[in-house]
Amino acid sequence: AQSVAQPEDQVNVAEGNPLTVKCTYSVSGNPYLFWYVQYPNRGLQFLLKYITGDNLVKGSYGFEAEFNKSQTSFHLKKPSALVSDSALYFCAVRDAAAGNTPLVFGKGTRLSVIA
Amino acid sequence: ETGVTQTPRHLVMGMTNKKSLKCEQHLGHNAMYWYKQSAKKPLELMFVYSLEERVENNSVPSRFSPECPNSSHLFLHLHTLQPEDSALYLCASSLGGGAGVYNEQFFGPGTRLTVL
Repeated sequence: AQSVAQPEDQVNVAEGNPLTVKCTYSVSGNPYLFWYVQYPNRGLQFLLKYITGDNLVKGSYGFEAEFNKSQTSFHLKKPSALVSDSALYFCAVRDAAAGNTPLVFGKGTRLSVIA
Repeated sequence: ETGVTQTPRHLVMGMTNKKSLKCEQHLGHNAMYWYKQSAKKPLELMFVYSLEERVENNSVPSRFSPECPNSSHLFLHLHTLQPEDSALYLCASSLGGGAGVYNEQFFGPGTRLTVL
């Protein structure tokens, strides 16, 4: 079975400070990992993904995420937060060896960037 | 936005009404999805179509009936819904839906459904 956990419902950060949104996963094989962002009254937008290769993945809007296999984590980071980054962030995972299974999403973390 | 459109954006219906949600993707994808997003709950996958065949049905009540006439269009037919069905319904598409697929899903803006 595959699962993903986002341990924080809410993250608050001051504008200009670095931000981290946490994600841990559980799969039997190798993971495919994704981050999505949802702005109010919008659908989810793809930010970045890890498939294989470099553990540090760079994505849209200056976001990046680091794959850590030993800690089964894929935390989302940004060096300097903007007020416009305030949104709901979802981590998702698929087990690469699990057959025809869809993505499993975390429950989401609400990021609030304060000016 | 992302090449996935949904209509209507907002829908209010009574419990005895019949309505349909429409999703269209312009990305050349061959897999389409319906999700339900309720407040305080994780995103719930409802249905998956791959190459126009339904490959996933997550114990969704029969009052929700999907239809995928071709790889670009997806419908969700609604009949005798309950107030607890009020939610944001999201459509998504991706290239490929089978084993080992690592392609991201592209989401539409959603239909905000209110059942009175």
